[in-house]
Amino acid sequence: GENVEQHPSTLSVQEGDSAVIKCTYSDSASNYFPWYKQELGKRPQLIIDIRSNVGEKKDQRIAVTLNKTAKHFSLHITETQPEDSAVYFCAASWKGNTGKLIFGQGTTLQVKP
Amino acid sequence: GAVVSQHPSRVICKSGTSVKIECRSLDFQATTMFWYRQFPKQSLMLMATSNEGSKATYEQGVEKDKFLINHASLTLSTLTVTSAHPEDSSFYICSASAGISQPQHFGDGTRLSIL
Repeated sequence: GENVEQHPSTLSVQEGDSAVIKCTYSDSASNYFPWYKQELGKRPQLIIDIRSNVGEKKDQRIAVTLNKTAKHFSLHITETQPEDSAVYFCAASWKGNTGKLIFGQGTTLQVKP
Repeated sequence: GAVVSQHPSRVICKSGTSVKIECRSLDFQATTMFWYRQFPKQSLMLMATSNEGSKATYEQGVEKDKFLINHASLTLSTLTVTSAHPEDSSFYICSASAGISQPQHFGDGTRLSIL
């Protein structure tokens, strides 16, 4: 079955710096890759997603890149702010699987003011 | 848009009690709903996938007689933890999707504590 590995598990950056979180997946049939942000005790919120027919997608300070050959995708946050501090999860889904997601282990991002 | 409501947010009860958790999609029809369990500082572990009007599909290792799932309409799915024990204490989160190629939107979660 699909397996998603996420690194690093923790990431600390200074306010204004960039943060990058990477995920690798095992199933080449995976075709949908969302990223979720979860603040302590709250629901995961979808922040950006990308499908396999696209190599990069950007939304203001957030971008996601996908390398299908290498089977990895990354989240890039630029000009980080303290409110970006949270746990970020990547996930993968594949065609024909009823849409279920396999999540990475999560990355705790701390943005220091 | 894409609001998912989960209720209750917190349950504390005695061992042996059955607990029902509701998940509702408020502004869209959810053909599929998912139930996850999350331990502190860990990732989301998928328990089961439920489609409206059919039996839920459980992930390996999840006891279907323990965790009863009903998806009676396109806006409501319920998870019942039967005869709960302390080891069932966890954070349970549902999500809903309008279709296979559509994003999943999560509820606020239910923190279950069994004494």
